[in-house]
Amino acid sequence: DAMVIQNPRYQVTQFGKPVTLSCSQTLNHNVMYWYQQKSSQAPKLLFHYYDKDFNNEADTPDNFQSRRPNTSFCFLDIRSPGLGDAAMYLCATSREMSPLYEQYFGPGTRLTVT
Amino acid sequence: AQSVAQPEDQVNVAEGNPLTVKCTYSVSGNPYLFWYVQYPNRGLQFLLKYITGDNLVKGSYGFEAEFNKSQTSFHLKKPSALVSDSALYFCAVRDTSNQAGTALIFGKGTTLSVSS
Repeated sequence: DAMVIQNPRYQVTQFGKPVTLSCSQTLNHNVMYWYQQKSSQAPKLLFHYYDKDFNNEADTPDNFQSRRPNTSFCFLDIRSPGLGDAAMYLCATSREMSPLYEQYFGPGTRLTVT
Repeated sequence: AQSVAQPEDQVNVAEGNPLTVKCTYSVSGNPYLFWYVQYPNRGLQFLLKYITGDNLVKGSYGFEAEFNKSQTSFHLKKPSALVSDSALYFCAVRDTSNQAGTALIFGKGTTLSVSS
């Protein structure tokens, strides 16, 4: 089945130690998104790629970076995680940016910062 | 600014009874509205969307939602709740003020609890 895969499902990192979260898709969608969801809060968009074009949300901290080496993979890099970055990180894809196309979400990676 | 409000943190309903999960929105242009469901430790699953056309939208798992422009609402409904419907439900609106026009603004979520 076509799907959005996130690895790992659970990640523990130390304060200030760089960490990378991975997302892959078999849907061949053009758009890939990264959301941050803190406990009991709504998901918040960090950034997205349309193909190779990167779009950063205005309030996304510089500590968060992303890479999309090819259509299938997208990575979220947190350069110096703080305790406040502990959250569920959700990857999503959509065929196009038009609202006619819904977003498909992966299962998420729960990040713990110690 | 675009925003979504889900006024109830939790909705409790008995199995077999109808359920409603409320959502109101605020947008500057035409709204694109969505409902997603999230089960524990899982990603969000798409239920349904309103882009244009009929105000009553039918979606997955027997859910439907009614778009009401005058009340700026998009309530999620189901005629007969199942215990397996217990989950966290998010309403979302498309942010057309964003340059790329693709960001979803989510409400804070409503936990639906269906008792047997």
